[in-house]
Amino acid sequence: AQTVTQSQPEMSVQEAETVTLSCTYDTSESDYYLFWYKQPPSRQMILVIRQEAYKQQNATENRFSVNFQKAAKSFSLKISDSQLGDAAMYFCAYRSLPSGGSEKLVFGKGTKLTVNP
Amino acid sequence: NAGVMQNPRHLVRRRGQEARLRCSPMKGHSHVYWYRQLPEEGLKFMVYLQKENIIDESGMPKERFSAEFPKEGPSILRIQQVVRGDSAAYFCASSPMDRNPFFGQGTRLTVV
Repeated sequence: AQTVTQSQPEMSVQEAETVTLSCTYDTSESDYYLFWYKQPPSRQMILVIRQEAYKQQNATENRFSVNFQKAAKSFSLKISDSQLGDAAMYFCAYRSLPSGGSEKLVFGKGTKLTVNP
Repeated sequence: NAGVMQNPRHLVRRRGQEARLRCSPMKGHSHVYWYRQLPEEGLKFMVYLQKENIIDESGMPKERFSAEFPKEGPSILRIQQVVRGDSAAYFCASSPMDRNPFFGQGTRLTVV
């Protein structure tokens, strides 16, 4: 079974600075998807970024980018130019390909990000 | 196109009562997932359904919990004879085939 580990329960960053959230995972599959979700106090789960394992290029969405190291099974999220609205819980998640099994997401325990003005 | 709609947002039940949580997927989405989030935890998968079929229920407790996604109407997560340990936020997500799932805002169940 796949597992996802987020080793940083809490992180803080100054507004306009850069922060990196760590995520490692364990799987025997060769192709899969990885995600970062943001959960603000409203509880809404918001997709931040997605990475396909077969793509070597790291995904980027505006101020959000990932460092995907397939061999090391590492998938960190970098937030540049942090804004107050980035404060939230961030969850890393793994998903098998449809042909590889269930399409369920496997989540880490989350990292609480605080942005200081 | 409305997002994934869950209702109610908050539900309070006494121990031993039944809880019914509803999820209306986004238009055109045929896949529905239910997740549970305990305090200070990540989301844990419960069940994956397509119209009229349960595809994967490996995360569902063996007793008291059931889920359905009928041909017409919302998906329902049903918890019978609730206990305090069932208190959690329950999230529904929907997707078309092999696409990113979109989440609802969750139902917070409190068992008193």
